[in-house]
Amino acid sequence: DAKTTQPPSMDCAEGRAANLPCNHSTISGNEYVYWYRQIHSQGPQYIIHGLKNNETNEMASLIITEDRKSSTLILPHATLRDTAVYYCIVRVQTGANNLFFGTGTRLTVIP
Amino acid sequence: ETGVTQSPTHLIKTRGQQVTLRCSSQSGHNTVSWYQQALGQGPQFIFQYYREEENGRGNFPPRFSGLQFPNYSSELNVNALELDDSALYLCASSLGQPRGDTQYFGPGTRLTVL
Repeated sequence: DAKTTQPPSMDCAEGRAANLPCNHSTISGNEYVYWYRQIHSQGPQYIIHGLKNNETNEMASLIITEDRKSSTLILPHATLRDTAVYYCIVRVQTGANNLFFGTGTRLTVIP
Repeated sequence: ETGVTQSPTHLIKTRGQQVTLRCSSQSGHNTVSWYQQALGQGPQFIFQYYREEENGRGNFPPRFSGLQFPNYSSELNVNALELDDSALYLCASSLGQPRGDTQYFGPGTRLTVL
């Protein structure tokens, strides 16, 4: 399983862009990078995923380096409601399609 | 479109008892995965069901078992509860094989074992 490395915590000022890094140096060619977040005691919320190209949706942007060994999740205008634990996951290509969560990055948006 | 729902929200049991947790998958999804999340940890994969068959299992003992029904809803059963089983239990649904689509999570069931 490809493992990911994330900083344990980050702060971001409200209204500013939050840039959350993730290292996945052992990623395989057919593995996707997924991002989820979990607000306290709630179920994880899907944010975005990508394979090679940068992706953008209504929640965030995902920037994947050309060698695919790292990625950055960007929340363009962070709000207090974005305070959560953010998980970067490389999806294992097995029949079970399970997700391996690490410890994530605790993002705190500061007023 | 209906999201993933779980019941009950909270549950308190004592050691040695048995518990059943329920999950209704998102409309159109045929795969359900279960996860256990201990306090301060990330979710850990328990097992997955695809079209009523177990389709993979994490490092959990046999006293953790499950079912998936024809409507793709699912149950997680835990026998002989231990104190360490206290956790948030999450289910996630997806479209499943062969591509293994995005998993969408329910709100979870908080189980406390006394």
